[in-house]
Amino acid sequence: DIVMTQSPDSLAVSLGERATISCKSSQSVLYSSNNKNYLGWYQQKPGQPPKLLIYWASTRESGVPDRFSGSGSGTDFTLTISSLQAEDVAIYYCQQYFTTPYTFGQGTRLEI
Amino acid sequence: QVQLQESGPGLVKPSGTLSLTCAVSGGSISSNNWWSWVRQPPGRGLEWIGEIFHSGSTNYNPSLKSRVTTSVDKSKNQFSLKLSSVTAADTAVYYCVRLNYGFDVWGQGTTVTVSS
Repeated sequence: DIVMTQSPDSLAVSLGERATISCKSSQSVLYSSNNKNYLGWYQQKPGQPPKLLIYWASTRESGVPDRFSGSGSGTDFTLTISSLQAEDVAIYYCQQYFTTPYTFGQGTRLEI
Repeated sequence: QVQLQESGPGLVKPSGTLSLTCAVSGGSISSNNWWSWVRQPPGRGLEWIGEIFHSGSTNYNPSLKSRVTTSVDKSKNQFSLKLSSVTAADTAVYYCVRLNYGFDVWGQGTTVTVSS
């Protein structure tokens, strides 16, 4: 299985400041034939299902604010929230969909 | 816009079989997508259970493979999950999910408690 490891486990950031979450995979999730990283980022608020924010490691899902951005390739990835808003308080997960079993990071709790 | 809705018993007895169905609306289950089940134990992270294609092809998490069965009913535009020999460790919110570019559509989730 590909192990996904996020850091930190929790993070407190002031309103308007930048938040950065790291995700590392135990194997590369870059598919060489299409040069795509099979890596997604999800936001989960209490009592709600996860919501896809970023796919292919850096493509923002429709309707997601542009303060959210993803970067990285291979085994090292980052989710950045450029200017934290109150509604961004949530748990964030990375996930690889490169190969089954699809696996998630343990989650990062983001607080203000 | 595709929507997913889980349904099934909220309480299952230990050693019994958990059975859930996911109804697909706003789109066809025969589209070029895999359909997955993901679960989340109380206060914990996300675990992928398995997936099915409309052809009936499946992939399962090896950690659960011996107990999991999934199926598709194209006439009802739905897919289903069966998890046998359940224990308290199977208590979780169960989500059905569409794999597109990542898991782009999620059901609201259904809570299943394993208890006598």
